[in-house]
Amino acid sequence: GAGVSQSPSNKVTEKGKDVELRCDPISGHTALYWYRQSLGQGLEFLIYFQGNSAPDKSGLPSDRFSAERTGGSVSTLTIQRTQQEDSAVYLCASSLVALGYGEQFFGPGTRLTVL
Amino acid sequence: EDKVVQSPLSLVVHEGDTVTLNCSYEVTNFRSLLWYKQEKKAPTFLFMLTSSGIEKKSGRLSSILDKKELFSILNITATQTGDSAVYLCAVTGNEKLTFGTGTRLTIIP
Repeated sequence: GAGVSQSPSNKVTEKGKDVELRCDPISGHTALYWYRQSLGQGLEFLIYFQGNSAPDKSGLPSDRFSAERTGGSVSTLTIQRTQQEDSAVYLCASSLVALGYGEQFFGPGTRLTVL
Repeated sequence: EDKVVQSPLSLVVHEGDTVTLNCSYEVTNFRSLLWYKQEKKAPTFLFMLTSSGIEKKSGRLSSILDKKELFSILNITATQTGDSAVYLCAVTGNEKLTFGTGTRLTIIP
């Protein structure tokens, strides 16, 4: 596609439910990144994939969060047993080359609201 | 723990003024420093800096990195109302990317 796409654009869920957020990177981009931005806060780095591998998962906020990437393309971020503090905008980005070596292109984000 | 500190937190200037935004950092195994502009949801890339002392320039925006003193500045000359945004600085090191909280720039017509 022309840019990074994310779905859904908005998600409202009840506390305790699981949610799955999807990111489609720019075709051919090997690196994919997930970030979280809470209201009025800066960007929080969650995880990045080089191909299908995530070199460091320590940025994930808790073990309720998991992410995977298959086929070097689409990635999903799953949050289990959602809590109200998980409410935020979840941003995905991709880059042609590895972390820190190239421009990242951001998707429009998924706004998650946990009631 | 990697840390990025941006200053000022917010800045209000008149159209036509020149502004300088600051970013200082502490990071293990520094790889690069990036500047982004965030107006609505998604940040847009401005610059990537890897070497000290080499100015990157794009129109009215320019940026430079000092790896000895561990900081970078972003300059915007002849500001316009369209420059109003949050400017984010991020540093990559190891397999992480750390963002500062940003500088909110408001340009008054």
